[in-house]
Amino acid sequence: EDKVVQSPLSLVVHEGDTVTLNCSYEVTNFRSLLWYKQEKKAPTFLFMLTSSGIEKKSGRLSSILDKKELSSILNITATQTGDSAIYLCAVERATGANNLFFGTGTRLTVIP
Amino acid sequence: NAGVTQTPKFQVLKTGQSMTLQCAQDMNHNSMYWYRQDPGMGLRLIYYSASEGTTDKGEVPNGYNVSRLNKREFSLRLESAAPSQTSVYFCASSVGHSSGNTIYFGEGSWLTVV
Repeated sequence: EDKVVQSPLSLVVHEGDTVTLNCSYEVTNFRSLLWYKQEKKAPTFLFMLTSSGIEKKSGRLSSILDKKELSSILNITATQTGDSAIYLCAVERATGANNLFFGTGTRLTVIP
Repeated sequence: NAGVTQTPKFQVLKTGQSMTLQCAQDMNHNSMYWYRQDPGMGLRLIYYSASEGTTDKGEVPNGYNVSRLNKREFSLRLESAAPSQTSVYFCASSVGHSSGNTIYFGEGSWLTVV
């Protein structure tokens, strides 16, 4: 059965800390792995990863995929209170009716 | 900058009542989706429409029906609501089916069935 597992489920850090969020997957016909940020309402797209070892970076956020280990990490450096959100990992399959599998998310809380 | 608009935002239903969640997108996207989000379960796909005129079941379709009214609109109907359908519902759209990097979500509809 296809699945996407994120860890930790929740995390509380102080402003300025660096955090690493994990996502592991078991999905047939893997095409890509995606990260989303969900603040109060709608998830918004952060990164799409298709190749191992190539880091995607946007400001203080970065992510990398390890297809051998079937996992990805999302790093956030110098965290700010505005980074508080649920971070969702999803894996896209190349075929099948339900192509996008979401993990349960990691709830990050950044305290001043 | 409307994007994906869904209504209503909040609804309380009694068991057995019916209702329809409405969704519209103004990005000329081909594919539309309905997800539900429950604590500890992540986002799960209820139904999707890969293109206008087609609809297909997702992971958790039981108890729901959908209509792709036109390219812009995709509605979700609960015929006889059950407490297990208490959830947050998200409509989404994307350029093509399962284009995860082009998927846009609505702001959610909080549904409580008592």
